[in-house]
Formats: sequence, structure tokens, C-alpha cells
Amino acid sequence: NAGVMQNPRHLVRRRGQEARLRCSPMKGHSHVYWYRQLPEEGLKFMVYLQKENIIDESGMPKERFSAEFPKEGPSILRIQQVVRGDSAAYFCASSPRDRENIQYFGAGTRLSVL
Amino acid sequence: RKEVEQDPGPFNVPEGATVAFNCTYSNSASQSFFWYRQDCRKEPKLLMSVYSSGNEDGRFTAQLNRASQYISLLIRDSKLSDSATYLCVAPPAGGTSYGKLTFGQGTILTVHP
Repeated sequence: NAGVMQNPRHLVRRRGQEARLRCSPMKGHSHVYWYRQLPEEGLKFMVYLQKENIIDESGMPKERFSAEFPKEGPSILRIQQVVRGDSAAYFCASSPRDRENIQYFGAGTRLSVL
Repeated sequence: RKEVEQDPGPFNVPEGATVAFNCTYSNSASQSFFWYRQDCRKEPKLLMSVYSSGNEDGRFTAQLNRASQYISLLIRDSKLSDSATYLCVAPPAGGTSYGKLTFGQGTILTVHP
């Protein structure tokens, strides 16, 4: 059962380093979404991507954060020059093309910034 | 007003009890809603969808009240394994991408023996 795969599951970075989070969608799904969950808070939408296309990035911080979903390979969420406030669980979800509301989540990447 | 608002709880109920959570939403144009379940430090899992008046799946019933703009989740005969955080989710309506889900803060349920 190839669900949404995220790696790494845990990532530790020092302030100023870069973090790269990877997400492979469920088989047959062409849409990918990234959400962030800060400690003791709810999930917040970050970005919605299709292959080689960013559909909605209204939830992405203006600086240091970027996302891509190339033609081949997983979707990548990249955080440059991480700060302690970036420590959170980052969840990726995927959906079929015509059912954007039905999203299945990966196990998440827990980023800790020292 | 928040787009999606839930009572954070916690709700502490004994096994076998019936418990209900409410969730209010602000966008009257929203057509469908979802309940997700999230166990501690794990990913959210889709529990139920609510497209019209309601939906029932075993011990779980979800209701939608458009006039008052709230949805509810009823759990009958609670099990220990129902202990989790329940997230109310509203898709966007009008003007934003269809895949941008808005999650409530979650309601914490603890079922005790």
C-alpha cells in the first residue's frame, strides 16, 4: 500500500543551515500539498503544487521557503537559513486530479532547529 | 471570526459514552466539509466527509447545519481507541484554490476505562 511517503521523518538542523523535505505522492495522485503544524497549533496550509507548477503558494512565508514538484521525482520543500521558529511538523498530502478536497497525508517530517 | 472554529476541549468520557463535537465555519458558500482524526504526533487521517445534510459510518455520524453554519461529529459507544484529536476541515469557496484546506484547531478526546 504505497501511501504518501515523506522523508526524512526527523531532521535536525542548526540555525542558518538549509532543510530539504521530500514528499512522494500516493500512486495515481498528481497534486501535492504542504502543511505546517507548529507545536500546540493546528495545521496551516503552505502550498499546493502540480507537476512543474505551483497552483497556490498563499501560505508560504515570503522569504527562505520554496517548494517544487518536478516532472520526475518527489516534491521538495526547501527552507533556507533555518531559524528556531521553523521547528515544526511538516506534512505533505496528495490527492487525485479531480478531487482536490480529498487529501491523504504522509507521516510528516519533524524539523528541529537547534 | 476564524474560518473554522472548534472547542479545543479536552473532552474526557468513559468507555461506552456518546460524545459530540461542534465546529463553526464562517464561509457560507462552503459546500463540503470533513472530519479528520489525528493521533498524537502522527498524520491526520480522513474520518468522514459531509456534503449535504449528514453522513453516518458505524458509530460515527456527521451532521451539517447550513442555516447556523456548523457541522457536528457524534461518536456513539466510545472506545479507548477513539482517543485522539478531531479536526474539522473546510475547503475554500470562491476565489481561492480548491485544494487549500482550512483546519480547525482540533478537539481533544480522551476515552477512559
